[in-house]
Amino acid sequence: SSELTQDPAVSVALGQTVTITCQGDSLRNYYTSWYQQHPGQAPVLVTYGKNDRPSGIPDRFSGSSSGNTASLTITGAQAEDGAVYYCYSRDNSGNHWMFGGGTTLTVL
Amino acid sequence: QVTLRESGPALGKPTQALTLTCTFSGFSLDTSGMSVSWIRQPPGKALEWLARIDWDDDKYYNTALKTRLTISKDTSKNQVVLTLTDVHPVDTGNYYCARTQRSLYGEYLMDVWGKGTTFTVSS
Repeated sequence: SSELTQDPAVSVALGQTVTITCQGDSLRNYYTSWYQQHPGQAPVLVTYGKNDRPSGIPDRFSGSSSGNTASLTITGAQAEDGAVYYCYSRDNSGNHWMFGGGTTLTVL
Repeated sequence: QVTLRESGPALGKPTQALTLTCTFSGFSLDTSGMSVSWIRQPPGKALEWLARIDWDDDKYYNTALKTRLTISKDTSKNQVVLTLTDVHPVDTGNYYCARTQRSLYGEYLMDVWGKGTTFTVSS
C-alpha cells in the first residue's frame, strides 16, 4: 500500500545532530519534501528535491534519500527546531500525494 | 508579498456539505507551474493532503476522499474553492490552503500557507 512511515518521536541534545527518517515504497521513485510545524502554526517547507532549501531556511537543515528512505538531518539542533516534522511525497501511482504521520522532535 | 486566507463555516452538522474558500494575493493561478493545494489536520493529528488544482485546471484528489471532494478556481477573483460533502465528526479539524509550485525535480512544493480555518462537525 502507499504510505509514508515516520517515527513518532525523536529527541536530540542542544547543538547535536539528529536525523528524522521517512520510509515508503514510492520514495524509490519520487522526491520527498519536508515540512516543519510548530504548535498552533501552519507548516513551513524546510527542504525539497535532492537537498534544496527555500530562502530563509538555515543551512543546518538538509535532506537526503536512499532507496525507500528519505531523511531530514539537522546539524547543530537549536531550541527553536523543536517541532513536528512531516515528510511529503507522491504515492505509487504518482498522481496522488501524501504526508507521513509526523515526527515530534524534542531538543533537550 | 504572497498571502492566502481560508474562509468558511466554523461549525457544521453531520451529512452537510462544507464549502471552503481560499482567497490569495501576490501570485496568479494563470501562471504556468502554479497551483493551490488544500490540506487538513484533525486536532492533535497529522497533516492530510486533500486536493490540488493546477494553473491549467488539472485537478488531483486524495484517493480516500475523492468521491466527496470537489476543487475549483476562479482566477478573476484569485480564489480556490473546496467542497467536501457528507461531513461527519472525523472531518473536524484545521483546513489550510497553500500556494504550490512545481519544482525542477517535478515535486509540487507548498511554499506559502494560509493560517488555516477551523471546522467542527457536531450535531
